[in-house]
Amino acid sequence: DAKTTQPTSMDCAEGRAANLPCNHSTISGNEYVYWYRQIHSQGPQYIIHGLKNNETNEMASLIITEDRKSSTLILPHATLRDTAVYYCIVRVAEQAGTALIFGKGTTLSVSS
Amino acid sequence: GAVVSQHPSWVICKSGTSVKIECRSLDFQATTMFWYRQFPKQSLMLMATSNEGSKATYEQGVEKDKFLINHASLTLSTLTVTSAHPEDSSFYICSAEGLAGEYEQYFGPGTRLTVT
Repeated sequence: DAKTTQPTSMDCAEGRAANLPCNHSTISGNEYVYWYRQIHSQGPQYIIHGLKNNETNEMASLIITEDRKSSTLILPHATLRDTAVYYCIVRVAEQAGTALIFGKGTTLSVSS
Repeated sequence: GAVVSQHPSWVICKSGTSVKIECRSLDFQATTMFWYRQFPKQSLMLMATSNEGSKATYEQGVEKDKFLINHASLTLSTLTVTSAHPEDSSFYICSAEGLAGEYEQYFGPGTRLTVT
């Protein structure tokens, strides 16, 4: 699997948009970009994933650059409950039995 | 969304004893389950991949005789930590992957193991 690079930590004010970048310059054509987050002492929670088009769901938006070498996860209106470690993972989807390999992630701290 | 449970949520055991952790997919069938371990302030580390009805595949450096994995049904996988030692104290997390056509992975809430 391709590796990803994320900033170690970021801060965000409550109510503002949180933009979390991820670099995946060696991503392969059949690899998707996944985002998960982990709130302290809980299991990871799926947020969103995409291949090359921008994606949006009730939690977040995912913006993938045209060359697919980087992406940004956007939490449009961050709340205190969004404080967590956010993991960007690239993985071949539609292939059974492929584990998610976690990097160090970005610790997002949302403050009032 | 799909739900994965783990039991127990936390356990304390004495050094030298064995501990079993259960991972269940509650509303879907999982052909593959994964086991991760997470030490404080570190990321999740994949331990093994478990397929229903077959032997688990362990990652390099993970002792298969110490961490016994059984995946006897499409909704249950178990991890047994045998002869536990204090260095095995960690947060153990499982994830489950759905059947063909649904390859999303859903994570359990984790099990906190403390070996005294």
